[in-house]
Amino acid sequence: AQSVTQLDSHVSVSEGTPVLLRCNYSSSYSPSLFWYVQHPNKGLQLLLKYTSAATLVKGINGFEAEFKKSETSFHLTKPSAHMSDAAEYFCVVSDAGGTSYGKLTFGQGTILTVHP
Amino acid sequence: DGGITQSPKYLFRKEGQNVTLSCEQNLNHDAMYWYRQDPGQGLRLIYYSQIVNDFQKGDIAEGYSVSREKKESFPLTVTSAQKNPTAFYLCASMGQGAFKVLGATNEKLFFGSGTQLSVL
Repeated sequence: AQSVTQLDSHVSVSEGTPVLLRCNYSSSYSPSLFWYVQHPNKGLQLLLKYTSAATLVKGINGFEAEFKKSETSFHLTKPSAHMSDAAEYFCVVSDAGGTSYGKLTFGQGTILTVHP
Repeated sequence: DGGITQSPKYLFRKEGQNVTLSCEQNLNHDAMYWYRQDPGQGLRLIYYSQIVNDFQKGDIAEGYSVSREKKESFPLTVTSAQKNPTAFYLCASMGQGAFKVLGATNEKLFFGSGTQLSVL
């Protein structure tokens, strides 16, 4: 069985300060891990993905995430928040590796608020 | 252009009625998924299919049914057994995408635009 826990339902930061969105997972297999962002009234957009290659994954818009197997974590970070980063973020785990596509489980989401 | 099409955008269900949500993709993807989105609960997996003529239950399959007779199509039926159907439903497919991430493969999850289902 696999599961994803996003440790914070809401995160509030000031513009220009670092962002940390926390995600812990459990999986019986070597997982693939994703971060998605959903802006209000818009669809889901892939930020980045880990699939057993480099443990530090760089994504779009300056975001990156580090896969830590010993801590079963895949936290999302950004050095300096921008007002346009305000959105809801989802951590996702997949129990299939390689080219097979397995069950995808989403976390409950973290709403990021950015203050001027 | 390739993509996923969900229809209708808005759907109303009367009590005791079955309704079917359409999901069509022309991306030649093998895997397709149905998710339900409720406020504060993220996306919960209803059903998924990794190949034609095969599908598996997700975490909240009760009250729903699916079929996968064609690679392109993965319709979801919300049956009368689903007592709390009001939600936003998202269909997705997984396959090769244009998004490239350093050190990762090129697989990407594509989403439809969603169907908002409400109960009359």
